[in-house]
Amino acid sequence: DGGITQSPKYLFRKEGQNVTLSCEQNLNHDAMYWYRQDPGQGLRLIYYSQIVNDFQKGDIAEGYSVSREKKESFPLTVTSAQKNPTAFYLCASSIEGGYGYTFGSGTRLTVV
Amino acid sequence: GENVEQHPSTLSVQEGDSAVIKCTYSDSASNYFPWYKQELGKRPQLIIDIRSNVGEKKDQRIAVTLNKTAKHFSLHITETQPEDSAVYFCAASMQSGGYQKVTFGTGTKLQVIP
Repeated sequence: DGGITQSPKYLFRKEGQNVTLSCEQNLNHDAMYWYRQDPGQGLRLIYYSQIVNDFQKGDIAEGYSVSREKKESFPLTVTSAQKNPTAFYLCASSIEGGYGYTFGSGTRLTVV
Repeated sequence: GENVEQHPSTLSVQEGDSAVIKCTYSDSASNYFPWYKQELGKRPQLIIDIRSNVGEKKDQRIAVTLNKTAKHFSLHITETQPEDSAVYFCAASMQSGGYQKVTFGTGTKLQVIP
C-alpha cells in the first residue's frame, strides 16, 4: 500500500498516557519524517531522520520523541508532556531529503 | 525561517472551468516547490513539482508556474473534473544544515461542482 505503512489508523489516548505511532517503509528511503496536521494549519514538522540512529527536532518537537534503529522504521511516541495531542499524524519518507515525499495513510489520535 | 502563504483557503468552480491556487514564499534560498493533493480521508500525494531553475512545468491538465523574483508560484488546473475535488498543499523547500527543509502552505480546499 504505497510502500509506507502507518498503524494504527485510529488511536485513543487517556490523559497522562504515552502512546506510540508506528511507521514502516519498504521503499529503501534514507529520510523519514513525522508531520502533524491540524485543520487550517497545514502540515507541521515534528521530527525528521536522514539516516539510521540519527534524528533531528522539527518545528514542534516538544512533547514528542522518536527513534530510528532501523532504516525501515521511524516510530513516534506522543508523551504526556504534549498538551494538545489530538491531531492527524502523517509519516513520510523520501529518497533524497525533502525531494518528493511519499506519505503514509496517517494515524488519527484522540485524547479521551 | 521560511514562511509559505497559500490562497485561497477554499475554492469552488464549475466542472470544466479552470482553478488557480497561489502561494508565496519568503526565503529566496528555497529551490524546490512541490504540490500535494489530499483527498478526503487519504494521504497527501505529490502531483507536480518544480525546481527553481524552471519557470513553468505542465503535466496534462495541471501546470505550475514559478516567479522567483516575486517569490510566488501557482498551481493551474484546467478542465476541472469532480475527481479534482480535494485539499491541495503547496510547499517550499531549501537546504538547511545538510537537510532539505520543507515548509507547507495551509492548504486549499477545492470543490468542483458537477
